[in-house]
Amino acid sequence: AQTVTQSQPEMSVQEAETVTLSCTYDTSESNYYLFWYKQPPSRQMILVIRQEAYKQQNATENRFSVNFQKAAKSFSLKISDSQLGDTAMYFCAFMKRNAGGTSYGKLTFGQGTILTVHP
Amino acid sequence: DGGITQSPKYLFRKEGQNVTLSCEQNLNHDAMYWYRQDPGQGLRLIYYSQIVNDFQKGDIAEGYSVSREKKESFPLTVTSAQKNPTAFYLCASTAAGRQSSGNTIYFGEGSWLTVV
Repeated sequence: AQTVTQSQPEMSVQEAETVTLSCTYDTSESNYYLFWYKQPPSRQMILVIRQEAYKQQNATENRFSVNFQKAAKSFSLKISDSQLGDTAMYFCAFMKRNAGGTSYGKLTFGQGTILTVHP
Repeated sequence: DGGITQSPKYLFRKEGQNVTLSCEQNLNHDAMYWYRQDPGQGLRLIYYSQIVNDFQKGDIAEGYSVSREKKESFPLTVTSAQKNPTAFYLCASTAAGRQSSGNTIYFGEGSWLTVV
C-alpha cells in the first residue's frame, strides 16, 4: 500500500512571492504518477501539475513547478509569483502505473496543505 | 461541454435511510470512482469501476454500494449501515488504458451529504 504525507497543514505567502509545499510518499512501486491538486473554497478539485515517475525532468506548468526526487520519495510544489487566486487547499496524490502504461486512477491522497496568499 | 455531473449538490438524510448520489460523465471515460472527503482531510476511495458491470471496493467501502450498468453512470448509495455518512462526496473518472495524457483524473463538483 502507498502512503502520502504532507507535513505542512497550513502555509501562507505574500502576493508575488514564491512558496514551496512539501510532499513525501512511500511505495514499493517503481512506475507511478504523482499529482498536485488544488481545491479552492468551491471544493472543485483542479489538477495543477502531473509528474511521471519514469521521467527525470521536473514538470512545469506556468507558475507551478515540482522538485521530484525519486530516490528520496519527495515531490514538492513550487508556486512562483503567488496570486490571490492561488489561495486553496493543495493535495499531493499518488497513482500506480501498471505494466504497459495503463492505470486505473486509484489515487492515494495526502492530508492537504491550506495555502493562504496575502495581499 | 464535456464533464462530470454530480447531483444533488446538497442532500439531507434521516437516520436509517438509504440515499443515492448520482454521477454522470460524458467524457467517454472507462473508469469511474467515488471518494469521500471529511472536513480538513484528504480524499479516501470508496468504490471504483474500470468497466461496465464491474466494480471493486476501495479503502472505505463498508456501508456503501454502487452499480455500473452504463458506461456514463456510476451512482453511489449510502446505506443505513454507514454509521457516519456526513461528508463531501466526489465522483471522478479517467480514460483507463494506454493514454498519453497520463490518465489524469477528472472530478465532479461534489455532493454534500448531511445526516439530520
